[in-house]
Amino acid sequence: GQQLNQSPQSMFIQEGEDVSMNCTSSSIFNTWLWYKQDPGEGPVLLIALYKAGELTSNGRLTAQFGITRKDSFLNISASIPSDVGIYFCAGYSNRDDKIIFGKGTRLHILP
Amino acid sequence: GAVVSQHPSRVICKSGTSVKIECRSLDFQATTMFWYRQFPKQSLMLMATSNEGSKATYEQGVEKDKFLINHASLTLSTLTVTSAHPEDSSFYICSARDRRAQGYTFGSGTRLTVV
Repeated sequence: GQQLNQSPQSMFIQEGEDVSMNCTSSSIFNTWLWYKQDPGEGPVLLIALYKAGELTSNGRLTAQFGITRKDSFLNISASIPSDVGIYFCAGYSNRDDKIIFGKGTRLHILP
Repeated sequence: GAVVSQHPSRVICKSGTSVKIECRSLDFQATTMFWYRQFPKQSLMLMATSNEGSKATYEQGVEKDKFLINHASLTLSTLTVTSAHPEDSSFYICSARDRRAQGYTFGSGTRLTVV
């Protein structure tokens, strides 16, 4: 089945630093999604990408749908304490009609 | 925006009993509901997909007789964990697809603990 490789698994950064994480897949997705999950909560959608090459921003967040449709990245600029959490990439395939999640990137911000 | 209400948020049950989890789409019609399970520090794993009025489609390795899914209306889907065992303890999350926008909205999750 389809698998998503998300990296890095965890990050420790200073407040104010920029963050970058990415996902790659062995197969093509029609939609790439980036979610943030806080402890004990369901994932919350940050950015959705629908076209290959699409670059979309949401405040300090920027994400891109790779040209090959097999990868995506998420950047967070000027990190703040509330950015702490787990970020998941997810891919949707029209053929399988389901969303597959990456393993997540845990973001920690050092005091 | 689209909101999915999931209930209960936490439940503790005795081994061998059944637990029902509800997901409601509050302001939109959900043509499809997805049910996920998430173990601690792991990703969300899709368990099953249900379309309104149809039988659910289960992922490989998920027992359909143990995890009963009902999607009787466009605004409500339920997951019943039957004869629960401690290994079923997990975080269960639903996601609803909006018929209009084709967006996906997640519920806030249910923490199930089987003792």
